[in-house]
Amino acid sequence: DADVTQTPRNRITKTGKRIMLECSQTKGHDRMYWYRQDPGLGLRLIYYSFDVKDINKGEISDGYSVSRQAQAKFSLSLESAIPNQTALYFCATSPASGANVLTFGAGSRLTVL
Amino acid sequence: TQLLEQSPQFLSIQEGENLTVYCNSSSVFSSLQWYRQEPGEGPVLLVTVVTGGEVKKLKRLTFQFGDARKDSSLHITAAQPGDTGLYLCAGVDRGSTLGRLYFGRGTQLTVWP
Repeated sequence: DADVTQTPRNRITKTGKRIMLECSQTKGHDRMYWYRQDPGLGLRLIYYSFDVKDINKGEISDGYSVSRQAQAKFSLSLESAIPNQTALYFCATSPASGANVLTFGAGSRLTVL
Repeated sequence: TQLLEQSPQFLSIQEGENLTVYCNSSSVFSSLQWYRQEPGEGPVLLVTVVTGGEVKKLKRLTFQFGDARKDSSLHITAAQPGDTGLYLCAGVDRGSTLGRLYFGRGTQLTVWP
């Protein structure tokens, strides 16, 4: 099994629908992140959490919310999806100490029609 | 504003050629990481460089961290089709106690047989 598992891997939805992307990890890492990847724009940070009771906004948090249900689980929600949220979403984890190296999931491709 | 500038954005070469990818910034980083991402997968860490002037080698890949810790390069010798992928640099913010990572936009490398 993968260290960082994202579900679903692919999702097509319509404008206005609520979408949840889920992430679970077996690395035992305290820190978890959600990134968005768009062609030519690289990886942009949406939200991050350094422990279960900690939630922080990243560069592009508008239109998104997160929930850290447990150390191993971090979900990303789009309350009312819009077409410009069509992108590849990555969950990542890192240990609390050290060089902040990220372990990424395989990604969730979201298409909003 | 992009903290880390990567160049070139795209690189298409024949098997056996050498290439260099650059990652530049006006900011100082406490460390810099290089990741490679293949289609359908998340980025995977290749190397972390920490000390100014540091050079690390990973088989045919050579990574260098600038003396002032503001820039880095990745050199691939005798590229192979298996090197094809998106190469991302990421800097750890020297001024951030939380060790925030900032990603460049990536270099898409294609190596033709």
